[in-house]
Amino acid sequence: QKEVEQDPGPLSVPEGAIVSLNCTYSNSAFQYFMWYRQYSRKGPELLMYTYSSGNKEDGRFTAQVDKSSQYISLFIRDSQPSDSATYLCAAGGAGTALIFGKGTTLSVSS
Amino acid sequence: DGGITQSPKYLFRKEGQNVTLSCEQNLNHDAMYWYRQDPGQGLRLIYYSQIVNDFQKGDIAEGYSVSREKKESFPLTVTSAQKNPTAFYLCASSIRTSGSFYEQYFGPGTRLTVT
Repeated sequence: QKEVEQDPGPLSVPEGAIVSLNCTYSNSAFQYFMWYRQYSRKGPELLMYTYSSGNKEDGRFTAQVDKSSQYISLFIRDSQPSDSATYLCAAGGAGTALIFGKGTTLSVSS
Repeated sequence: DGGITQSPKYLFRKEGQNVTLSCEQNLNHDAMYWYRQDPGQGLRLIYYSQIVNDFQKGDIAEGYSVSREKKESFPLTVTSAQKNPTAFYLCASSIRTSGSFYEQYFGPGTRLTVT
């Protein structure tokens, strides 16, 4: 079993919708969790990260971690066509390399 | 202008030739990484280095080699032993924050095509 699982989608929503992107992880030692956005043919861009459990909000984006269920979520409010990209979740432990999910492709139509 | 640079953006090689991909960072990050990305496969770690003159194999190191002679540079050589080298290669670097957590950033990538 891969340590970080992510539904590849694709996910298609209309502009203005609330988007929920999700990952699960199997290693209970993971302590920090990250979300990257990757546009086609570009390098991933770090969007947000959280340490341990809880929520973190940045503008239209909210990252949530539930350690009891080993579930990671990214919510996008008022989605825009410019949010169309592949979103990668990642998890890691102290001093270890990040483990990435395969990414979910999101398309927001105007 | 700070960041991670990878060159070239596109690279074409004939089968059987070794090729070296460049990665430079001016962020003063200690750790650097190489990933390979294929459609539907996600990011797979090739090699990483946490300090100058030291590096470790990742999940798919066979057919690749690296060096870390300077803190800011981490070149990747794709050798002729790599059976399927055509892919998008991403370099990353990271800085350790409080709580032993590494904040990792990526370069723009190099798309290698071997025919």
